[in-house]
Amino acid sequence: DQQVKQNSPSLSVQEGRISILNCDYTNSMFDYFLWYKKYPAEGPTFLISISSIKDKNEDGRFTVFLNKSAKHLSLHIVPSQPGDSAVYFCAASATVTSGTYKYIFGTGTRLKVLA
Amino acid sequence: DTEVTQTPKHLVMGMTNKKSLKCEQHMGHRAMYWYKQKAKKPPELMFVYSYEKLSINESVPSRFSPECPNSSLLNLHLHALQPEDSALYLCASSRKVGLAGGNKETQYFGPGTRLLVL
Repeated sequence: DQQVKQNSPSLSVQEGRISILNCDYTNSMFDYFLWYKKYPAEGPTFLISISSIKDKNEDGRFTVFLNKSAKHLSLHIVPSQPGDSAVYFCAASATVTSGTYKYIFGTGTRLKVLA
Repeated sequence: DTEVTQTPKHLVMGMTNKKSLKCEQHMGHRAMYWYKQKAKKPPELMFVYSYEKLSINESVPSRFSPECPNSSLLNLHLHALQPEDSALYLCASSRKVGLAGGNKETQYFGPGTRLLVL
């Protein structure tokens, strides 16, 4: 049962335009959400996160939006650059025991930014 | 600094071999993780160590044996693996970030070890 889903396996965007990557989750116990960027044969790189009590967090070109009622989050990249081409994973975190957290990853979206 | 290092980068082993993967972080992070990632799939959690104690084992077969000798080091001992265990093995550590709504933990990943079992 996939608790975190990224329904678009791939996305192509023109350089300079906005990239919107979406993520849906099912477990209401998740209270912290993260986005990672991954290049082939490398580990995921942390990009941006959001706590469940917020609905928006911004860091430079990256903004994450959270709609708790819809159990949906999205990552906006503006403006998109060719170097943003990678696989993007969203991850959701829940507290397992006091001080121990579990992270569930979505299936990933491959973003291609066209020059 | 958010660096997690992993060695080796690549590993080829036979099904009767014993090998170990190593992960290190010097950021004072109190939790460390092992993940397995197959091609075109998300990382799958294997083990979580919190304050050097194993706190989560996601029903991983005993041919994978984790070890946390100290707060900076995490090993994964491999023995009698199967070809289907071939994957990218990722280590991560996490640190608390103070956010409105309470402390959360952000994970940082190492570059991974690409394992091939023949």
